[in-house]
Amino acid sequence: AQKVTQAQTEISVVEKEDVTLDCVYETRDTTYYLFWYKQPPSGELVFLIRRNSFDEQNEISGRYSWNFQKSTSSFNFTITASQVVDSAVYFCALSRYGGATNKLIFGTGTLLAVQP
Amino acid sequence: DAGITQSPRYKITETGRQVTLMCHQTWSHSYMFWYRQDLGHGLRLIYYSAAADITDKGEVPDGYVVSRSKTENFPLTLESATRSQTSVYFCASSDGKGGRGETQYFGPGTRLLVL
Repeated sequence: AQKVTQAQTEISVVEKEDVTLDCVYETRDTTYYLFWYKQPPSGELVFLIRRNSFDEQNEISGRYSWNFQKSTSSFNFTITASQVVDSAVYFCALSRYGGATNKLIFGTGTLLAVQP
Repeated sequence: DAGITQSPRYKITETGRQVTLMCHQTWSHSYMFWYRQDLGHGLRLIYYSAAADITDKGEVPDGYVVSRSKTENFPLTLESATRSQTSVYFCASSDGKGGRGETQYFGPGTRLLVL
């Protein structure tokens, strides 16, 4: 069975602090996709990143970076120099690779509050 | 360029009534999905569709019906609404052709309250 665990329910930081959101996944598939989505207070879901299981290179996009480690089944998300606009719920998700349905399995989300 | 839209955005109904939530996408994506979001559960898949006239159950399908007569539309019907169906409903779509096509893009959501 596939499962995504985001153990951190809520995190509160002060602006300019670095923060890491943890994501641990379980799957029996050898190839799969991992995703991060952001849900700001306005409620929409915004796609942030997609990672293939066979590409373990870490990725950086501005203040955002992602650390994918197959050995520990983790796909952690770090925000450097956090800003108030980063306040949101962040979801990690997993899907099968090349499957006929590419259904997403979501974690329960981490609420990040960045205080000014 | 509308992308993916949902209507209504907010809905209040009563137990036992039938409610239909609409989803429309302009990307000609093959795959469409309905999720519900509840506190403590994240998002859970209700139904999905791989193409017009092809639908299948997700994790929590009971009490819901879907149809997909046109590629761009994927309505979700609650046949007889119950209080447990109070939730935020998200529609999503994807190309489903691998790589970038595996990314699902979400509509703005519909907040449903069943009294």
